[in-house]
Amino acid sequence: SQQGEEDPQALSIQEGENATMNCSYKTSINNLQWYRQNSGRGLVHLILIRSNEREKHSGRLRVTLDTSKKSSSLLITASRAADTASYFCARSQGAGSYQLTFGKGTKLSVIP
Amino acid sequence: EAQVTQNPRYLITVTGKKLTVTCSQNMNHEYMSWYRQDPGLGLRQIYYSMNVEVTDKGDVPEGYKVSRKEKRNFPLILESPSPNQTSLYFCASSSVPAGDSYNEQFFGPGTRLTVL
Repeated sequence: SQQGEEDPQALSIQEGENATMNCSYKTSINNLQWYRQNSGRGLVHLILIRSNEREKHSGRLRVTLDTSKKSSSLLITASRAADTASYFCARSQGAGSYQLTFGKGTKLSVIP
Repeated sequence: EAQVTQNPRYLITVTGKKLTVTCSQNMNHEYMSWYRQDPGLGLRQIYYSMNVEVTDKGDVPEGYKVSRKEKRNFPLILESPSPNQTSLYFCASSSVPAGDSYNEQFFGPGTRLTVL
């Protein structure tokens, strides 16, 4: 199956700035999820956006989905040093799918 | 506390020596998966399970076996490990399938395996 691709691979910003990460994919999806991974640890679910949704918010997170462009973006506003982590998008292809396909991730560094 | 546990967390072994990585979840989840994470490749699914005694191959199943005899446990078996199986392994569970609108995967802390 085709992996999603995150862009950029790495991002370094100052604390307080906004961070935007993008995810592109090649086949149709049913939902797209974003996960965070602190160095070498397990992934933590952040947010899920359905294929019929265009935007979703959760706290300082804003996710958009453009199915015509097969892309999604994750915006973290007012970033904090604790946001330093790798961020992955993961997609499922169908409502009955048992599989999530993960991208390669964006490594975010927030400098205090 | 709701969690997914994996053991061992770190393992160094030699080529050909059979090993098992255990995974257990206490959330009564139906669905469980194994992933491997390699630099530059992200996470790739090895096997998944939809229920007790029901398993299926993911994207990279070669060299691995799984079993699901109890709902809470989903061990990953490497019968004859090779150096290309050196990786970081994650177990995950969820209450609904990946394609469900309310899917949320809960991940274990990872097992770092080195095969010499």
